[in-house]
Amino acid sequence: AQRVTQPEKLLSVFKGAPVELKCNYSYSGSPELFWYVQYSRQRLQLLLRHISRESIKGFTADLNKGETSFHLKKPFAQEEDSAMYYCALSGRRTGANNLFFGTGTRLTVIP
Amino acid sequence: EAGVTQFPSHSVIEKGQTVTLRCDPISGHDNLYWYRRVMGKEIKFLLHFVKESKQDESGMPNNRFLAERTGGTYSTLKVQPAELEDSGVYFCASSQAPGQAYSGANVLTFGAGSRLTVL
Repeated sequence: AQRVTQPEKLLSVFKGAPVELKCNYSYSGSPELFWYVQYSRQRLQLLLRHISRESIKGFTADLNKGETSFHLKKPFAQEEDSAMYYCALSGRRTGANNLFFGTGTRLTVIP
Repeated sequence: EAGVTQFPSHSVIEKGQTVTLRCDPISGHDNLYWYRRVMGKEIKFLLHFVKESKQDESGMPNNRFLAERTGGTYSTLKVQPAELEDSGVYFCASSQAPGQAYSGANVLTFGAGSRLTVL
């Protein structure tokens, strides 16, 4: 069965420090992985997806199939990065339009 | 363009009552999705409409939940009768073309969510 695990419910880092939000997944096949973010009083929005191989707002995430991980990283955290972050997965087995989300990690960047 | 609109933003009802949530997708988006986040748990897929047809309703928890999308525009999600465990935030999302997987740039745009509290 498919599963997305975000082991940290809460993560606090100081401004300027590196940040890594962990995401591990379980899926039989080739999944597509995403990171979604929800800032305070804003809507859930796509941050990045692994197939794009892009950096958004300084964040990057590399799909590691060997470790079944898709950790989100940023070298220098900013206060505006404080938000709720969700890792999500979809794939042919889940149904092309069915996203499986993790439980989320609340990131707090301390000034 | 207007985003995905959900109403109400918050609803408080008693166990056994009925609640209807509404979602207005982005104009022209054929695909409409309902998701739910129960407190402390992950956001879970409920169902997916393509226009007025239910493409996938595998995530609907039980027959107390009824989703409709008459005319292929807005959608409603009715919970009748509501139970305590139905409390949570119900998200709606839409996309122009079939969802994220294997479809290139088409991504889901989410609404702000409707928070349901069942007492």
